[in-house]
Amino acid sequence: GEDVEQSLFLSVREGDSSVINCTYTDSSSTYLYWYKQEPGAGLQLLTYIFSNMDMKQDQRLTVLLNKKDKHLSLRIADTQTGDSAIYFCAESMGGKLIFGQGTELSVKP
Amino acid sequence: GAVVSQHPSWVICKSGTSVKIECRSLDFQATTMFWYRQFPKQSLMLMATSNEGSKATYEQGVEKDKFLINHASLTLSTLTVTSAHPEDSSFYICSAPGTGASWGNIQYFGAGTRLSVL
Repeated sequence: GEDVEQSLFLSVREGDSSVINCTYTDSSSTYLYWYKQEPGAGLQLLTYIFSNMDMKQDQRLTVLLNKKDKHLSLRIADTQTGDSAIYFCAESMGGKLIFGQGTELSVKP
Repeated sequence: GAVVSQHPSWVICKSGTSVKIECRSLDFQATTMFWYRQFPKQSLMLMATSNEGSKATYEQGVEKDKFLINHASLTLSTLTVTSAHPEDSSFYICSAPGTGASWGNIQYFGAGTRLSVL
């Protein structure tokens, strides 16, 4: 079935690294995505990874993909207060995006 | 990058009235657009897929007559919430897939419309 799961909350101190985890179900998903949503706003694409990749790094963001375990993670280095938001992972299925519940990241000064 | 514009950003209406929400792809064409609904502290749930020039495809449990979708051009899709009731109050977000080999798998989202039905 279609099910993408994430932990609901993560709290870190400013300057620490944040790791947000996600598990997905469809092994045929070609792309997996991380989106950021700030309060009252739409979704901002942070990064995505193609299914034949294990890792992708983009500045402070590192995405790790374990296809065997259907596990995706997003690491934010040197987390800042401006990173406080809800982070959604999503998998593509037949052109549609299936989203996880979202992880609320709280960054404390 | 691709930009998707969504209007209005916030609307308050009386119960029983209809509300139209617009979703525009500003610098690219979108034969397909997606409409999502998001309740507070919850994930996005796909409501329907809007297809230019043809009928929308609705997800299971979504009332077609309640949520009218029109995709009359390659850059505009509209969602009309008919005879809105308080339980329709929610955050509605549209998205459109980019075009081109590298863009084609990326969906770009509008800023969302907060609907409050009194």
